Amino acid sequence: SQQGEEDPQALSIQEGENATMNCSYKTSINNLQWYRQNSGRGLVHLILIRSNEREKHSGRLRVTLDTSKKSSSLLITASRAADTASYFCATPDSISGGYNKLIFGAGTRLAVHP
Amino acid sequence: KAGVTQTPRYLIKTRGQQVTLSCSPISGHRSVSWYQQTPGQGLQFLFEYFSETQRNKGNFPGRFSGRQFSNSRSEMNVSTLELGDSALYLCASSPTGAPQETQYFGPGTRLLVL
Repeated sequence: SQQGEEDPQALSIQEGENATMNCSYKTSINNLQWYRQNSGRGLVHLILIRSNEREKHSGRLRVTLDTSKKSSSLLITASRAADTASYFCATPDSISGGYNKLIFGAGTRLAVHP
Repeated sequence: KAGVTQTPRYLIKTRGQQVTLSCSPISGHRSVSWYQQTPGQGLQFLFEYFSETQRNKGNFPGRFSGRQFSNSRSEMNVSTLELGDSALYLCASSPTGAPQETQYFGPGTRLLVL
């Protein structure tokens, strides 16, 4: 079963607006990663936040992690049409030893309109 | 460095056939993982290889198998194809496969089973 649950499932905004996506997970984690996928293509790694970090920035991206609530959020500021994509959170599986086994959420489909 | 490459990019097969997909990791990366992505089940882990050994396996039937070569390139094979095997197959690589490492994904192979 998938560990990550994301909401909203879909988000539609205008260019220039901010987009916030949320992810919840069930077990303790080593880190949490966010990926972007354009139109059924490969996944592009956006940011990795470790369990001892609370916030991380990368350009227009801001990720927060609340381990007490087992949740994370991804904020994209000043969105552009090129940000239109599906966004996934993923955590290493903690049960099977975790080696390179990521558990993905269902994803949020973001549409940014010009 | 060149990214993760996957071949072929698209494939059409009929039920009962078998298929082999190939993945070349980023130079120096020794861990390769495979994922299946479908609209219904999302992204699911298939297996992970490191130094030619399978270290981790997801919940897929034995028709799904893989291997890794001494140069870290990996192949996955699906025998006796079923309609439900139609999916985007993604591979990812990282240096050692440790949970704290970022995984880098290839563009995927889109398999259609008729």
